[in-house]
Amino acid sequence: QSALTQPPSASGSPGQSVTISCTGTSSDVGGYNYVSWYQQHPGKAPKLMIYEVSKRPSGVPERFSGSKSGNTASLTVSGLQAEDEADYYCSSFAGSNNNYVFGTGTTVTVL
Amino acid sequence: EVQLVESGGNLAQPGGSLRLSCAASGFNFNTYSMNWVRQAPGKGLEWVSYISRRSTTIYYADSVKGRFTISRDNAKNSLYLQMNTLRDEDTAVYYCARGAGSGTPASDAFDIWGQGTMVTVSS
Repeated sequence: QSALTQPPSASGSPGQSVTISCTGTSSDVGGYNYVSWYQQHPGKAPKLMIYEVSKRPSGVPERFSGSKSGNTASLTVSGLQAEDEADYYCSSFAGSNNNYVFGTGTTVTVL
Repeated sequence: EVQLVESGGNLAQPGGSLRLSCAASGFNFNTYSMNWVRQAPGKGLEWVSYISRRSTTIYYADSVKGRFTISRDNAKNSLYLQMNTLRDEDTAVYYCARGAGSGTPASDAFDIWGQGTMVTVSS
């Protein structure tokens, strides 16, 4: 099972928005409305930011939002803040071989 | 406080074995599926294995199938990963992660993570 494809990096100035894409196939991202997104700061464990494509867990700021179209999911961070600088990973279930697959990861830099 | 604490990481030789443990607290462990996810140094996340609430459904990544065994003891609120025939490429931080969804494996997101335990495979 191949990793989902994400851009290696994205950046924006404070207050701006950044959108990260996550491209899979009809067997994973396109086949389920269960894409999730994780934020990971250096040396820390990942943190769930979005689940079921667009839902936010309690405590996650509203400026984090998710969407999906076909085989591509997206995470948008609006009103960028310094603490948003981190690595972001998408994830989906891959039903063809009962695996979970993560994206390749995107490093977000706040300029 | 909802918490997962991994232990058991260590230096092992290629071909050797290790057993990782994950102690859960602050929630009803037996009502959640659980997973192991690993991250090699400087690399991305890789899902390793899944176990359902009652251990009736178990999945493995192809990279560890036949070498790793996931298990859980709901009476002890604990998750385990028995790692055999270790390879250099198994070197990683291993995280246990709680699965939370609407009842099917496909719906699970990993909503709680431990701090990780380091496994180094080297001669």
